[in-house]
Formats: sequence, structure tokens, C-alpha cells
Amino acid sequence: DVKVTQSSRYLVKRTGEKVFLECVQDMDHENMFWYRQDPGLGLRLIYFSYDVKMKEKGDIPEGYSVSREKKERFSLILESASTNQTSMYLCASRTTGGTWYGYTFGSGTRLTVV
Amino acid sequence: EDQVTQSPEALRLQEGESSSLNCSYTVSGLRGLFWYRQDPGKGPEFLFTLYSAGEEKEKERLKATLTKKESFLHITAPKPEDSATYLCAVQEGAGGGNKLTFGTGTQLKVEL
Repeated sequence: DVKVTQSSRYLVKRTGEKVFLECVQDMDHENMFWYRQDPGLGLRLIYFSYDVKMKEKGDIPEGYSVSREKKERFSLILESASTNQTSMYLCASRTTGGTWYGYTFGSGTRLTVV
Repeated sequence: EDQVTQSPEALRLQEGESSSLNCSYTVSGLRGLFWYRQDPGKGPEFLFTLYSAGEEKEKERLKATLTKKESFLHITAPKPEDSATYLCAVQEGAGGGNKLTFGTGTQLKVEL
């Protein structure tokens, strides 16, 4: 089974800090995604990447950036954390070819900004 | 813009009481509709993919169906372990890339 591993389950950071959320997948998937999930708003796409060093903005990229230097790793960066970025962050990956099984998600990182 | 609406927001069932969850969507050329299950504090877990109207998929007590405007997730004789949030997502056709647009989910609780 493909695994998507997010480095932290829970994080507490202070306003203004630079925050790195890391995601690693082990099945050589080309596509990787970062979503945030908030009650009543569902999952919203922040950024995605379809190849190494490639990135595309999702629906809510403001205040975030990403890095994909290696195929298996996709990092989400909060340049200056704010309280409105308190949320559950979910990383996902999928292959481009083959049967469409949708995404495989990580377990999520619950980030609290105080 | 793709839209996905799930109803009801929350559903409480007694064990054995069958019901259905609804996912209605508007998309320019559906490439796929996906159902996921999400347990509290965890990432969504893939259940089904449906590609075209009339298609049905089954897994244990769950059955997913698709029409041109909506999908249903039927739960037959549910058990407490079926309690979770069920998410629906769509992928748009040409030009939509690999992105999925998600609904806000139906929170299901099955009681003894």
C-alpha cells in the first residue's frame, strides 16, 4: 500500500513564525497536493505539484508557499504564521497513469497558531 | 467553477437502519466522482470511484451510485463502526488537471 507520511500530527506555533509542514510519499507518485480542512468549509486546495520543481496555485494560496526538490517530498511553508492559519493540513498524492484511484492522503497535521 | 454539495450535513441512525447520503455536483465534463471516509483526526480514506452515469460500486454495507447530476452513497444495515464523515469529490474533465473538488461531508453516527 502506498503511504503518505506527514512529519507531525500536532504543531503549536507562534504568530509570525515560519512554519514548515513536510510530506513524503513512497510510491513514486508524480502528483502531490496540500489541502486545509476547516469545519463547514471542507477541504480546500492550497497548492499542488505535478512534477519535481513544478508547482501550481490552488484555490487559497495566499500566505503559503511550497517546495518540491525531490519527487517523494512536498513541503508546505507558512512564511509568517497567523491565527487564521490554524487548521488541519492534509497532504495527498496520486499517480498520473494507470487506474484512477483518486488520492492517497496522509494522516494530517493539526496546526495551532497562537 | 466546480461545485459539490453534500446532504445532509449530519445523520444519526440506529444500528440496522438503512439510509442514503447525497452528493450533487456541477462540473464541466465529469472525469470522475470519488467517495472517501474520514475518521476523526485522520486523513480521508478512499472508498469508490465512479466514472459515468448509471455506474454502481459496492463494498460491504456501502453502495455508491451515479447519475448525471448527483451521486448517492447507500448504507445498508449500518453498524456503529460505520460512524465517520463521508466525503464526496469530483474531478473535472479536460483542463481540470488532477485536482479534486470536495464537498463539506456528511457526518454519520450509528448508534446501538
